Amino acid sequence: DIQMTQSPSSLSASVGDRVTITCRASPGISKSLAWFQQKPGKAPKSLIYAASSLQSGVPSKFSGSGSGTDFTLTISSLQPEDFATYFCQQYASYPLSFGGGTKVEIK
Amino acid sequence: EVQLVESGGGLVQPGGSLRLSCAASGFTLSDHYMDWVRQTPGKGLEWVGRSRNKANSYTTEYAASVKGRFTISRDDSKNSVYLQMNSLQTDDTAVYFCARVSSNYYYLDWGQGTLVTVSS
Repeated sequence: DIQMTQSPSSLSASVGDRVTITCRASPGISKSLAWFQQKPGKAPKSLIYAASSLQSGVPSKFSGSGSGTDFTLTISSLQPEDFATYFCQQYASYPLSFGGGTKVEIK
Repeated sequence: EVQLVESGGGLVQPGGSLRLSCAASGFTLSDHYMDWVRQTPGKGLEWVGRSRNKANSYTTEYAASVKGRFTISRDDSKNSVYLQMNSLQTDDTAVYFCARVSSNYYYLDWGQGTLVTVSS
């Protein structure tokens, strides 16, 4: 099975900050990685697929990079609506698996 | 507009059964793989299983933790996907989501989820 390790588990940031979240896959998954945003009591929202492709309608302040084992999600300028929990997911092989999540909180 | 609406959650005793439904609209269900994913505060997000599309004969895949107890089926004429859960355990307590899968295997959309509580 592929293990997804996400860090940090939480972070505090201010509006306007640049935020980076990392996800490590073991073993490697090429570029079969997605990122999701989830707000309390809501369903996850798909942000990025294939490591770096933006889902339709997702603002360009979100970006993804990486391949193989190491991936990052970057929010270029944090806005109030971006305070949420972010998850990575590998879809390279069964069973699909998720990172543990990163809670982005207001400093 | 694509919509996925789960229903059927509730309280069930250990050893019991429950069937969840995912009502789909805004797209042709038979064209898409559909997944079930669950979420708990302690274990986070966990993939439960997959129903492939009509072109792939609706074959299924399951997580080891549910294989042999859970079954995914669908009725494209009713635009619905189902998760039959048998021999439920307390560890199955979670919010269950259905998700639409793209032709390149990433998720496009999620439903709002339905809560399943397994408790005596």
